[in-house]
Amino acid sequence: EPEVTQTPSHQVTQMGQEVILRCVPISNHLYFYWYRQILGQKVEFLVSFYNNEISEKSEIFDDQFSVERPDGSNFTLKIRSTKLEDSAMYFCASGRNSGDNEQFFGPGTRLTVL
Amino acid sequence: KNEVEQSPQNLTAQEGEFITINCSYSVGISALHWLQQHPGGGIVSLFMLSSGKKKHGRLIATINIQEKHSSLHITASHPRDSAVYICAVFQGGSEKLVFGKGTKLTVNP
Repeated sequence: EPEVTQTPSHQVTQMGQEVILRCVPISNHLYFYWYRQILGQKVEFLVSFYNNEISEKSEIFDDQFSVERPDGSNFTLKIRSTKLEDSAMYFCASGRNSGDNEQFFGPGTRLTVL
Repeated sequence: KNEVEQSPQNLTAQEGEFITINCSYSVGISALHWLQQHPGGGIVSLFMLSSGKKKHGRLIATINIQEKHSSLHITASHPRDSAVYICAVFQGGSEKLVFGKGTKLTVNP
């Protein structure tokens, strides 16, 4: 069964460093999402992406964040200058259709900012 | 006020028991997701529904749009069902999911 994959599973970085989190969505899906979950808190929406552009973003997704689909398979989340409060689990998800369509989640990348 | 409220926050059951987890939401929605989060953190989609009832194995999900309420039932619970169960909704006109805080279920043998 096709699945969303994410790399790395765990990333440790120093405050102020740039990180890139990678995701490979399910191959016939067209809609891509990033979510984050700070330890002990609920999952929060960051951004949705379709047709090579952001379709919706939350107030969390400020200028420090960017997303890209550099080729036909990868979907990346870049954090330009990491802060301690960026430490969280980051989940990628993909869906076949827009709107209220079922989303399939990757296993997550645990980001630790020291 | 949270847009999505789940109850209970924690639930402990004995193997074989019938489990019910509730989700109430305060916004207009187009659909609702039930998700399972394993102890390692991974999230698995269980159901997406916008009306009525869906069943998959021992899992049943129902939704009442008028009452803004959904339930997830687990029949004949098993220790491997131990996980956090999360309700998330699509608000009308939006692609983003809005998540509840989750219900931590522990099923003891």
